[in-house]
Amino acid sequence: SQQGEEDPQALSIQEGENATMNCSYKTSINNLQWYRQNSGRGLVHLILIRSNEREKHSGRLRVTLDTSKKSSSLLITASRAADTASYFCAPYQAGTALIFGKGTTLSVSS
Amino acid sequence: NAGVTQTPKFQVLKTGQSMTLQCAQDMNHNSMYWYRQDPGMGLRLIYYSASEGTTDKGEVPNGYNVSRLNKREFSLRLESAAPSQTSVYFCASRLTGRGTEAFFGQGTRLTVV
Repeated sequence: SQQGEEDPQALSIQEGENATMNCSYKTSINNLQWYRQNSGRGLVHLILIRSNEREKHSGRLRVTLDTSKKSSSLLITASRAADTASYFCAPYQAGTALIFGKGTTLSVSS
Repeated sequence: NAGVTQTPKFQVLKTGQSMTLQCAQDMNHNSMYWYRQDPGMGLRLIYYSASEGTTDKGEVPNGYNVSRLNKREFSLRLESAAPSQTSVYFCASRLTGRGTEAFFGQGTRLTVV
């Protein structure tokens, strides 16, 4: 199992701006997953990108994966106050457990 | 479907007391996990079970035991609670495979005094 490292640790933006957060990992993976956690609640899965994919979209979310650099980024476009949450990445290799990093805390102010 | 259900939601224990946190899922998932979350520490894996009848240690297993009672249920036991075990505990489950997401319970807030 391996842990992803999210960067930055905290991000503050205005409503309508884009938010970008990054994830780095160390060994080969089958896929990389992004999750969101609203204050005090369980994590909710946002998007999964497989190792043979470079970019994936879901609504206002765009995820990229660069396996040569062992990194991924999550872009949230046109952020809203409701996007305020912590975001976690989980690099996954088949046969291992799902491990999470410390996350990026996003604050979107109106 | 209820998804992943954790009980209790809140608990206060005295140092040295024991308790069991319960987790049940109704999605026929074979993998189940227990995490703890402390301020500024993200989620740390305590134990996981890749399938019924198997359990493995995670990053922070000391002071905990687990039981995979059947495919649906995965319990976490604190035999002698310590203040350092004050945390929010999350259970999760997923269908083992390369491209499957995890589903989380709502958490158990445990305070050890």
